[in-house]
Amino acid sequence: AQKITQTQPGMFVQEKEAVTLDCTYDTSDPSYGLFWYKQPSSGEMIFLIYQGSYDQQNATEGRYSLNFQKARKSANLVISASQLGDSAMYFCAMREGGSNYKLTFGKGTLLTVNP
Amino acid sequence: DGGITQSPKYLFRKEGQNVTLSCEQNLNHDAMYWYRQDPGQGLRLIYYSQIVNDFQKGDIAEGYSVSREKKESFPLTVTSAQKNPTAFYLCASDPQGQLGSPLHFGNGTRLTVT
Repeated sequence: AQKITQTQPGMFVQEKEAVTLDCTYDTSDPSYGLFWYKQPSSGEMIFLIYQGSYDQQNATEGRYSLNFQKARKSANLVISASQLGDSAMYFCAMREGGSNYKLTFGKGTLLTVNP
Repeated sequence: DGGITQSPKYLFRKEGQNVTLSCEQNLNHDAMYWYRQDPGQGLRLIYYSQIVNDFQKGDIAEGYSVSREKKESFPLTVTSAQKNPTAFYLCASDPQGQLGSPLHFGNGTRLTVT
């Protein structure tokens, strides 16, 4: 069974609008962390935001916020005020406390920002 | 500047040849990882090492080998036994033992085997 599911292979958004990228996860470990990475066409992986399973508040980093719904096991990334430079692949990933801290990735969502 | 260096950026090999991908980090991180990325797929873990002279298989270790003789270096050998070696390979590191510490990635090596 997949531990991380990203159901949107591709998404389009108009410049300056907000967009939500979906991520659901599966774990029975009470201690885990959720990460979002951005991968531009150049291939580098850029860390965006982190949410711990025990964190009470949703994480925010500039224009990025994480909509964490623990009971639904979802960790959606919200990008506000989209910019052309936001066009990239976005990956959701999870690290479980009991798994030697290995990071497991979803298949990603390709976001295209239109002018 | 601290970071992870992967070389070369592009690598071409003939089928049946072993090839070694380099990964060097100067972040003083204990843990290092190798991931493989195919089109339309996420990153899949090949091998990881939590400490010098120790490493564990990831989810797709068959046809690959690694060594960790120095903290700074974690080379990956793609052997002739790997049936579909053409892919984008990413090396990463982190301080280890911290659930919330993000992985730092290199810029990747794109391997093409014909």
